[in-house]
Amino acid sequence: QSALTQPPSVSGSPGQSVTISCTGTSSDVGSYNRVSWYQQPPGTAPKLIIYEVSNRPSGVPDRFSGSKSGNTASLTISGLQADDEADYYCCSHTSGSTYVFGTGTKVTVL
Amino acid sequence: QVQLVESGGGVVQPGRSLRLSCAASGFTFSSHAVHWFRQGPGKGLEWVATISNDGNRKYYRDSVKGRFTISRDNSKNTLYLQMNSLRGEDSAVYYCARENVVVIGTPTFYFDHWGQGTLVTVSS
Repeated sequence: QSALTQPPSVSGSPGQSVTISCTGTSSDVGSYNRVSWYQQPPGTAPKLIIYEVSNRPSGVPDRFSGSKSGNTASLTISGLQADDEADYYCCSHTSGSTYVFGTGTKVTVL
Repeated sequence: QVQLVESGGGVVQPGRSLRLSCAASGFTFSSHAVHWFRQGPGKGLEWVATISNDGNRKYYRDSVKGRFTISRDNSKNTLYLQMNSLRGEDSAVYYCARENVVVIGTPTFYFDHWGQGTLVTVSS
């Protein structure tokens, strides 16, 4: 149950785009479209922002988008805003009927 | 509105037990699988356990198997986590979360509502 690999931090100026990668294996990210993304501002509970690789729940701005290629999923935040500053985690269901999260990425708006 | 409220956290000595509860409201609890997650101090999220909507299927991460037990009481709209033989590395904020449902009994594999968490500290 090794964590999925994410970059520790990414940053961008307001209005720019940033992309966070999430690398797993053929037993998790690569196996299914069961990848979701969660936003966690400091001191708060996680919030679902992407499910099934690229779907957005209602109420999540279309500035957030997701994709996947092979064993790597990605989250892109376009038109970066100050309140996008948070930690972001990917999550994948696995072939062993468990779940594994990414190591987390801190997004900083410069 | 959907609410999940955890309780039962606290400070406990290594080797002792603790039971967490998660009270659900604002939705049909018995239709949803529910999960426990945790986040150690300054660390990332970690899945702990899952229980199906009817309580018949349970899954655990390897490090808690045999020590933690997930259960639910659909008549009380409450999820539980019985934690025995606690270790220092179990210290974390514990969150419960609801799995989204489209067809009852069929997993969707993502978590659309989370509680605010309860802190467990294992220390002598």
